[in-house]
Amino acid sequence: NAGVTQTPKFQVLKTGQSMTLQCAQDMNHEYMSWYRQDPGMGLRLIHYSVGAGITDQGEVPNGYNVSRSTTEDFPLRLLSAAPSQTSVYFCASRPGQVYGYTFGSGTRLTVV
Amino acid sequence: GEDVEQSLFLSVREGDSSVINCTYTDSSSTYLYWYKQEPGAGLQLLTYIFSNMDMKQDQRLTVLLNKKDKHLSLRIADTQTGDSAIYFCAESFRDNQGGKLIFGQGTELSVKP
Repeated sequence: NAGVTQTPKFQVLKTGQSMTLQCAQDMNHEYMSWYRQDPGMGLRLIHYSVGAGITDQGEVPNGYNVSRSTTEDFPLRLLSAAPSQTSVYFCASRPGQVYGYTFGSGTRLTVV
Repeated sequence: GEDVEQSLFLSVREGDSSVINCTYTDSSSTYLYWYKQEPGAGLQLLTYIFSNMDMKQDQRLTVLLNKKDKHLSLRIADTQTGDSAIYFCAESFRDNQGGKLIFGQGTELSVKP
């Protein structure tokens, strides 16, 4: 069991570029989420999914897209990167509503 | 609305008890969680409490929930230097928002020898 795997670990983008942050879990968890972590602001929910084919917006969805075509994968797309998207991004999954999330190790993104 | 508030810093001496506090606003919360984050790492689930419970104890950790005041606390007994980290409380929601987990800003715990 690898748990929740995020790639890449580090990324530098230029303003206006697009990219996809990958997230995969091998625990057959239904629920998956993407968070961003900024100093002094805790973790803010970007998008979440309660199963394959179902996604919903979190607190800060603007500038990001997600899709959930399989149970295992939940990629996060940055459409046109901006310096305000410089952050650490965490993907997480859990088997159901009553369980805590298992987190990946994060992707540190810098937009210049 | 959904809002989770924590104080940002706490400093204690090794061997003392630490109490980290959290307040939340949404009474439809189902489960409340405590996570620990060490530098450069992801979040690790420490413990959780169901919203119809008042207290949960797990080794050195005690969680207290006051539903009337929407106040959650985490007590760490015999705090060690290895407990230095950022601690996040989080609330989970029922029904069609069941995928959401909303976090507080985190409390940085510093343990001095």
